[in-house]
Amino acid sequence: DAGITQSPRHKVTETGTPVTLRCHQTENHRYMYWYRQDPGHGLRLIHYSYGVKDTDKGEVSDGYSVSRSKTEDFLLTLESATSSQTSVYFCAISHQLRYNEQFFGPGTRLTVL
Amino acid sequence: AQTVTQSQPEMSVQEAETVTLSCTYDTSESDYYLFWYKQPPSRQMILVIRQEAYKQQNATENRFSVNFQKAAKSFSLKISDSQLGDAAMYFCAYGGSQGNLIFGKGTKLSVKP
Repeated sequence: DAGITQSPRHKVTETGTPVTLRCHQTENHRYMYWYRQDPGHGLRLIHYSYGVKDTDKGEVSDGYSVSRSKTEDFLLTLESATSSQTSVYFCAISHQLRYNEQFFGPGTRLTVL
Repeated sequence: AQTVTQSQPEMSVQEAETVTLSCTYDTSESDYYLFWYKQPPSRQMILVIRQEAYKQQNATENRFSVNFQKAAKSFSLKISDSQLGDAAMYFCAYGGSQGNLIFGKGTKLSVKP
């Protein structure tokens, strides 16, 4: 299994509070991704990173920001959480950007009340 | 934009029997990869099999094989000798020039003893 951890694994928070999810990898892969999984939607890309301090938006980036100060860490921040951001969040890594499989972390279940 | 469609929300198979999960996709690209991921109740996303579009030979991984029809843009997964541990959500995914994976909405597979 790829060395990917996510923290926290579960979180319950209230509307309007900031939340930061962390993804940590030990594989030294250049590319990292954040997805959200919702019933009936599969997984959808929020943001991705193609190197330290290099990030770009995905399909559902509104309300989210990311940062990557080290190769091994990729942070996802919800500046002011809303109930629509209740979801399961997955981090993924790959060693190529294109035409390549991604390996996923265990996921974080976030509930915004 | 690329799309991935899984038309079977749920499927059921008897233990030791064979089942085929369907996936179709739409793309104008000529180079791409296709994947099947398994998500058991543990929520972990597990790569089952991958297929490079430039390869005519269908990929196989033990009891898992695909039927890749490039002209028809079809990519089905066949599971032979089904086991109770195969019960899970299965996601078809497209990986092209954009870098991120495009996922279908998933098929929930049940295995009956």
